[in-house]
Amino acid sequence: KAGVTQTPRYLIKTRGQQVTLSCSPISGHRSVSWYQQTPGQGLQFLFEYFSETQRNKGNFPGRFSGRQFSNSRSEMNVSTLELGDSALYLCASSWGLSVDEQYFGPGTRLTVT
Amino acid sequence: ELKVEQNPLFLSMQEGKNYTIYCNYSTTSDRLYWYRQDPGKSLESLFVLLSNGAVKQEGRLMASLDTKARLSTLHITAAVHDLSATYFCAVDGGTGNQFYFGTGTSLTVIP
Repeated sequence: KAGVTQTPRYLIKTRGQQVTLSCSPISGHRSVSWYQQTPGQGLQFLFEYFSETQRNKGNFPGRFSGRQFSNSRSEMNVSTLELGDSALYLCASSWGLSVDEQYFGPGTRLTVT
Repeated sequence: ELKVEQNPLFLSMQEGKNYTIYCNYSTTSDRLYWYRQDPGKSLESLFVLLSNGAVKQEGRLMASLDTKARLSTLHITAAVHDLSATYFCAVDGGTGNQFYFGTGTSLTVIP
């Protein structure tokens, strides 16, 4: 069965712009979580969506937001981009009924110049 | 805040040798996950440990969990070059799919 897919894979943006990243979970999975990976901070949890509702949120500013659609696909949006937002953004999907194994997508590499 | 510490951060070992990576965490969680990441790639699930005393093995890797000590280990037996990667442990926050990751251990196996 198909894995988690993320689009786009690479993105270059300028400071002050906004960006939208997309994640399609494994078929049947209802939970989508987003993580930011940087060399300095490592892997940090952004937020999790389950059945179109944000269930958990990490410690990131309000510029980072997300949503989930009825087909479980999820998007995350970053407004007013800063240089420090340059990172690999990973999404992960799971069944979501309880805490269970998460399957990660290939990631979107965002570079802010 | 839940903290997850791994050591060592960097590990260089010769082929054929054994070594252990340690993962300490600060919560009472009884679920711990190990992932592997190759350069420029995503995270690949290695092990899911769901209870105290859990032990899982796959090839040259064996993971164990001691929830009382809040410690998990990833043991490498007779390392080969293909095991070169960064290994992460992760603990769930207990409120849904919110994982806290360790700092990662960058493993290099030298022929």
